[in-house]
Amino acid sequence: DTGVSQDPRHKITKRGQNVTFRCDPISEHNRLYWYRQTLGQGPEFLTYFQNEAQLEKSRLLSDRFSAERPKGSFSTLEIQRTEQGDSAMYLCASSLPPGQMNTEAFFGQGTRLTVV
Amino acid sequence: KQEVTQIPAALSVPEGENLVLNCSFTDSAIYNLQWFRQDPGKGLTSLLLIQSSQREQTSGRLNASLDKSSGRSTLYIAASQPGDSATYLCAVAGQASGTYKYIFGTGTRLKVLA
Repeated sequence: DTGVSQDPRHKITKRGQNVTFRCDPISEHNRLYWYRQTLGQGPEFLTYFQNEAQLEKSRLLSDRFSAERPKGSFSTLEIQRTEQGDSAMYLCASSLPPGQMNTEAFFGQGTRLTVV
Repeated sequence: KQEVTQIPAALSVPEGENLVLNCSFTDSAIYNLQWFRQDPGKGLTSLLLIQSSQREQTSGRLNASLDKSSGRSTLYIAASQPGDSATYLCAVAGQASGTYKYIFGTGTRLKVLA
């Protein structure tokens, strides 16, 4: 396992289209996070999964956003009816649960979304 | 609500200098603190993780300290190199709600001149 993998790396879409991103976490990590990062800012939390359960969603996650993690493995983040304000880097991270020896969070390379 | 601040926002130094990046947070009830490096257009690379019970961690030329009571962490980079040029992000994981999600600062953009 070489780390957290995200696909695609880049996505350009027209306003109003739907897009879906995929994240493959480190295999033994049961915690998975999605973040969004805009230029010059730090990443902002979007949502969190423990195994297949989505346990927290940020207010940033409008009803146009939906995330899933079927079977507690990979996760998808879908944005419907994209808007120009959705343009950002979408980052996925995974970690072991608290209490484990190493709870370090590992991030993927991100998906850069540009809405034109 | 946890807030994380990083100072300075940008830093330019000649090669070989030792430097200190600062991170402060408002809620001391943290689970851990992690420093990351981010190259332009790339994802985050973990540098050091400090658990809340620890005072410091070291990896190569990097040393990170944590003072929970004062809400501060510093990242010390010894003998800086041009390859260290990147944005350095500090993130704290709180214990509220059990999510342990990270709250990030806006980063320090470091440029090391050859």
